[in-house]
Parts: sequence; structure tokens; C-alpha cells
Amino acid sequence: GIQVEQSPPDLILQEGANSTLRCNFSDSVNNLQWFHQNPWGQLINLFYIPSGTKQNGRLSATTVATERYSLLYISSSQTTDSGVYFCAVGTNAGKSTFGDGTTLTVKP
Amino acid sequence: EAQVTQNPRYLITVTGKKLTVTCSQNMNHEYMSWYRQDPGLGLRQIYYSMNVEVTDKGDVPEGYKVSRKEKRNFPLILESPSPNQTSLYFCASSFGGDYTFGSGTRLTVV
Repeated sequence: GIQVEQSPPDLILQEGANSTLRCNFSDSVNNLQWFHQNPWGQLINLFYIPSGTKQNGRLSATTVATERYSLLYISSSQTTDSGVYFCAVGTNAGKSTFGDGTTLTVKP
Repeated sequence: EAQVTQNPRYLITVTGKKLTVTCSQNMNHEYMSWYRQDPGLGLRQIYYSMNVEVTDKGDVPEGYKVSRKEKRNFPLILESPSPNQTSLYFCASSFGGDYTFGSGTRLTVV
């Protein structure tokens, strides 16, 4: 199956700092999403981005499908950004695979 | 409001006692899926369904059953739960690969 690697596994930032999270995947995919799991366990959809670039406020994401990676940028981080960020990929066949996540801690 | 609803949110049960976790979506999505999340292992896919009456195994289907008799519902059935099925479970639905997740069900099997 498709392998998904996220880096770094853990990231500690001071409030106001910027960060880049990376997701590498081992094969061609039709779907790619970034999720944020907040400290209460809720999974929040950030971006559906199988290719190209999208922005939503302080967050943006870029997927380069031909090179099999995606990046999530967080600018001017806030304590509420803390949690786990997951990348998930899938194909039209229905299977989906998650990376192990990046745990982000933003300190005040 | 577009949403995926799972019930119950929390459940403690005993080994061997059959249980069902319900999942319902109101977005008319054809695709639905179940995942379990364990510490250090991320989310792993249990079963998925591309449409009514069409289901398929994910990466960790052992010990689980599903059914898809109608588009909106996709229940997860544990016929004989065991302690290694203690986990946090998520149901999701999707259109075109854009997923919406339920709030999760925390299951403890003792």
C-alpha cells in the first residue's frame, strides 16, 4: 500500500513563529488532505489539496503531486494551533492512508 | 448543518458482548469509512464503502463488520469485542476525496 511519512514528528514553537510541516507519499494519489486534531480529539478538515496551492488565513498548503509531497505552512502561530496535524492520502479505489502526524506545541 | 454523527461518544463494554457503533451523514455522500486511532499509530482504516451495498476492507478489518443498506448510514459492528479493540473510532464520509469526520467514539473493552 501507499506509505505516508510526515515530518517532523514533534515541533515546539514560540507563539508568533512560522512553521512548515511536510508530508511525503510513496505513490500517485488522487486525494490528499490535511487535518488538525485538537486537544479534545476532534478532527478538523484544513485543506483538500491533491495538487496546487491553497490558503486559508494564516494557513496555506502546497502539494507537488509529481514529486509526491505536500507542505503545510502555519504563519504567526497561536497557542490554539497546538495539536496533531495529519496528512491523509487516497486513491479513487477508496483506500485511504494517514501519516503518523506532527505534534505541534505552541508556547505562549 | 452538514455533519457526520456517531453514537455513542463513549462506551465501556465487556469482552464478547456484541456492540454496534452507529454513523450517519446528511450530505448524501456516496463514500463512507471507519478508522481507529491508537497512540503512536495514527489513524488506520478499518472498512470503507464506495456506495450502498458496496463495502471493502481497509488495513485493519479483523474483528469488525460493517453494512451499508442505505446511503446515509454505515454502522460498525463488533460481534465479539476483545480488549485489543479498545481504541478511539472515527467515521467519515467523503465527496471527491474531501472528508468530513464524526466526533469519534471512545471504546473500552474490559
